[in-house]
Amino acid sequence: QKEVEQNSGPLSVPEGAIASLNCTYSDRGSQSFFWYRQYSGKSPELIMSIYSNGDKEDGRFTAQLNKASQYVSLLIRDSQPSDSATYLCAVNANSKLTFGKGITLSVRP
Amino acid sequence: KAGVTQTPRYLIKTRGQQVTLSCSPISGHRSVSWYQQTPGQGLQFLFEYFSETQRNKGNFPGRFSGRQFSNSRSEMNVSTLELGDSALYLCASSLATGFSGANVLTFGAGSRLTVL
Repeated sequence: QKEVEQNSGPLSVPEGAIASLNCTYSDRGSQSFFWYRQYSGKSPELIMSIYSNGDKEDGRFTAQLNKASQYVSLLIRDSQPSDSATYLCAVNANSKLTFGKGITLSVRP
Repeated sequence: KAGVTQTPRYLIKTRGQQVTLSCSPISGHRSVSWYQQTPGQGLQFLFEYFSETQRNKGNFPGRFSGRQFSNSRSEMNVSTLELGDSALYLCASSLATGFSGANVLTFGAGSRLTVL
């Protein structure tokens, strides 16, 4: 089982819709969770971090964490074409940050 | 505040050669991590250095090595290059080892290595 798994994608949504990105992880001792966005040809940039169960909102982005089920998700409300990118889930366990392979989101105008 | 700086940005090598990549972290950041990114495998962890000591290592062969200097700058070296080493090598820095709270990973632009 891969340590961090994301839906294979790609994911396509119309402009204004909600995009839902999911991630599961295998290490129950994982302590902190991150979502990075990577535009084509660019390096990953941090968009959200979450450390405790529940929801965390930042603008149009909401991260959700459920440690019992070992999943973390990212919701993007009112999706914009500028949100089109690859989204990487990252999990910290034993001071090592492990990334999923990412899911490519395309927002159709 | 300057970001993470990686040099060179692009390089082409042939099989059997070696390569050294450099990374200057954000000022004040003492932890430097290296990742290899390929289309098939995604971002894979190579190693992390903190205060000149390797704190964590990924599952890469011994041809991949690194070091960190007293000013937190880091280098990674790949010896006896293989075609499969062609990838984007990303360096990232953080305040300290472990990732939570304000201690998050910030990436550089990467060094794209092509092995012919």
